[in-house]
Amino acid sequence: QSVLTQPPSVSAAPGQKITISCSGSSSNIGNNYVCWYQQLPGTAPKLLIYEDNRRPSGIPERFSGSKSGTSVTLGITGLQTGDEADYYCGTWDSSLRAGVFGGGTKLTVL
Amino acid sequence: QVQLVQSGSELKKPGASVKVSCKASGYTFTSFAINWVRQAPGQGLEWMGWIHTTTGNPTYAQGFTGRFVFSLDTSVSTAYLQITNLKADDTAVYFCARWVGYCSGGTCSNAFDPWGQGTPVTVSS
Repeated sequence: QSVLTQPPSVSAAPGQKITISCSGSSSNIGNNYVCWYQQLPGTAPKLLIYEDNRRPSGIPERFSGSKSGTSVTLGITGLQTGDEADYYCGTWDSSLRAGVFGGGTKLTVL
Repeated sequence: QVQLVQSGSELKKPGASVKVSCKASGYTFTSFAINWVRQAPGQGLEWMGWIHTTTGNPTYAQGFTGRFVFSLDTSVSTAYLQITNLKADDTAVYFCARWVGYCSGGTCSNAFDPWGQGTPVTVSS
């Protein structure tokens, strides 16, 4: 049981837009920054979003992050087949004094 | 470019030990902590803990104390994860990741970038 809650899966057609939610509590998302990671099949996770809504260099503007209270959302526009991957949210939990991740969301581009 | 390169896959018997290496290049190794993350087959990411690359002080997450040891050899910019008395439940891919986060005023950014390619460890008799 993950500390952060994500939907198991989401799907959409190429060119469409999707959002992936990640909910937590005041000890993690509510008072710390959140990252999003993309894990393509058979590869290591890659940092997609940091500090809730900032993109590392090289990450397309199609990827965005937002935060409201104890929840964050990853948005992906102009879906491509190459976006098919597992997406994880992650942050620090101040009460647990530990890094925490969501259970992951599998994106299928139909 | 900044990268972390891990050692290759391992097949071990229950009760044996394994040591996974994570070699950093492209940056000053002692400027960033190294974290370890486990991913069991078909499962999500699980934070194992981290090691301070200047002091060598390790911090272990709950569930990763006792049989798990983080260590360093700064002369070769390499971090290690050793697991002793292996059990079938230890079968997983183990990732190292550079911590590029920070904590300020009680708020932390716990970002990891980049990650090593992962080391599959299989424990089977």
